[in-house]
Amino acid sequence: DAMVIQNPRYQVTQFGKPVTLSCSQTLNHNVMYWYQQKSSQAPKLLFHYYDKDFNNEADTPDNFQSRRPNTSFCFLDIRSPGLGDAAMYLCATSREKETQYFGPGTRLLVL
Amino acid sequence: GNSVTQMEGPVTLSEEAFLTINCTYTATGYPSLFWYVQYPGEGLQLLLKATKADDKGSNKGFEATYRKETTSFHLEKGSVQVSDSAVYFCALSDRSSGTYKYIFGTGTRLKVLA
Repeated sequence: DAMVIQNPRYQVTQFGKPVTLSCSQTLNHNVMYWYQQKSSQAPKLLFHYYDKDFNNEADTPDNFQSRRPNTSFCFLDIRSPGLGDAAMYLCATSREKETQYFGPGTRLLVL
Repeated sequence: GNSVTQMEGPVTLSEEAFLTINCTYTATGYPSLFWYVQYPGEGLQLLLKATKADDKGSNKGFEATYRKETTSFHLEKGSVQVSDSAVYFCALSDRSSGTYKYIFGTGTRLKVLA
C-alpha cells in the first residue's frame, strides 16, 4: 500500500543536542509538509516543500530546518532542541493542493 | 480570513448512540472540507472529504454534508462503537487562495463507553 512513513516513531534527545526526524513516501506526491502538534491541539504547519521549493511559515522558529533530497524523502532538523520543542511531529504529503495524507508521527521527548 | 470552528469536547456517548460533531467555517473562496481522525499516539487519518457545495462525504458509517448556505460540515454517525473513541479534526483547504495551508479546527475528543 502507498503510504507515508516516519522514523523513528519515538525520539529522545537532550536539551540542545541536534536531532533529525525523517519522512518518506511512496505516493509520489510533489508536496511534503511538516507539522508540530502538542497535546492533541490542532497540528501547526512549520513548512512545506512544493517540489524542491521550500516554503517556511512566518512564525516557524529558526531552530527548525528542513531538507528534501529527492521526491520521496524529507527531513526535519531541530538544531538546538528546547524543552518547548517536545511534541508530536507529523509529516504529510499531497499532490498539488489536493488532499493531505499524514504519516503516523514521531513523538519527540527533550530531556 | 479563513477559519474553522468545532464544538468543544470531550463528547462522551454510550455505545450505539447517535453522534454529531459540529463544524462551521468561514472562507473567502471555495474551500474543500475534510474530517480527520486521530487515535491516541497516531497521526491523522483522512475520514472523509467534500469538495463542493451539497457534496456528501462518507466512510466507515460516518457522513458529513457540505452546506454552503449554513457554512457547515457537521460529522454524523448513526451508531458509535468503542473503537470510534478518538480526536476528530475538521479542516478546510482553500485552493483558490494560492496557499497550501490547511485550516484546522481545535479538535473534538470523542469517548464511547461500552
